[in-house]
Amino acid sequence: DTGVSQDPRHKITKRGQNVTFRCDPISEHNRLYWYRQTLGQGPEFLTYFQNEAQLEKSRLLSDRFSAERPKGSFSTLEIQRTEQGDSAMYLCASSLAVGYTFGSGTRLTVV
Amino acid sequence: DAKTTQPPSMDCAEGRAANLPCNHSTISGNEYVYWYRQIHSQGPQYIIHGLKNNETNEMASLIITEDRKSSTLILPHATLRDTAVYYCIVLGWPRSNFGNEKLTFGTGTRLTIIP
Repeated sequence: DTGVSQDPRHKITKRGQNVTFRCDPISEHNRLYWYRQTLGQGPEFLTYFQNEAQLEKSRLLSDRFSAERPKGSFSTLEIQRTEQGDSAMYLCASSLAVGYTFGSGTRLTVV
Repeated sequence: DAKTTQPPSMDCAEGRAANLPCNHSTISGNEYVYWYRQIHSQGPQYIIHGLKNNETNEMASLIITEDRKSSTLILPHATLRDTAVYYCIVLGWPRSNFGNEKLTFGTGTRLTIIP
């Protein structure tokens, strides 16, 4: 068990392009979460999966954002038509019962 | 989930105990107190959690007041590697009964350990 893995660690993209991030949770964890963090702020909740079902989405998750967890294992977060305001650290976490284990995040820079 | 209030920053000398306070005056009976920390450029790391009894693990101790309206995280012998932002979060349990799945982070306390 190597913890929660996120790929890529860094992504620079031009405004208007689509980007996709991947998260591999701890294998036995059935819950998976996506958060976004901007400079100087705490992480903000985006969405949550229990197994393959997406059970909650934040208002922060606009129509340009979509997340999937097709087989209840890894998850992807896609941002379409990126904007400069999407620049942030995107964090994934997984959980089975008590405690949440976070990955190191994907830092997105939109230029 | 109850809101929490933490000082924005604190300093502590290396080798001393770091005491990080958190106010959660609106906490309800089913809500636990969780502490996480975030070292620069990493994801948040779980430290400890508790309901009403004091808790200790290999990383820290958590002292919760009898009325549960505040708590203190204690790092007994702070090292330079403890420099981080520390978040105090309250979360209802069990999650499925209350629909409280998400951790709600504030801005935390930036702890700087001074050599």
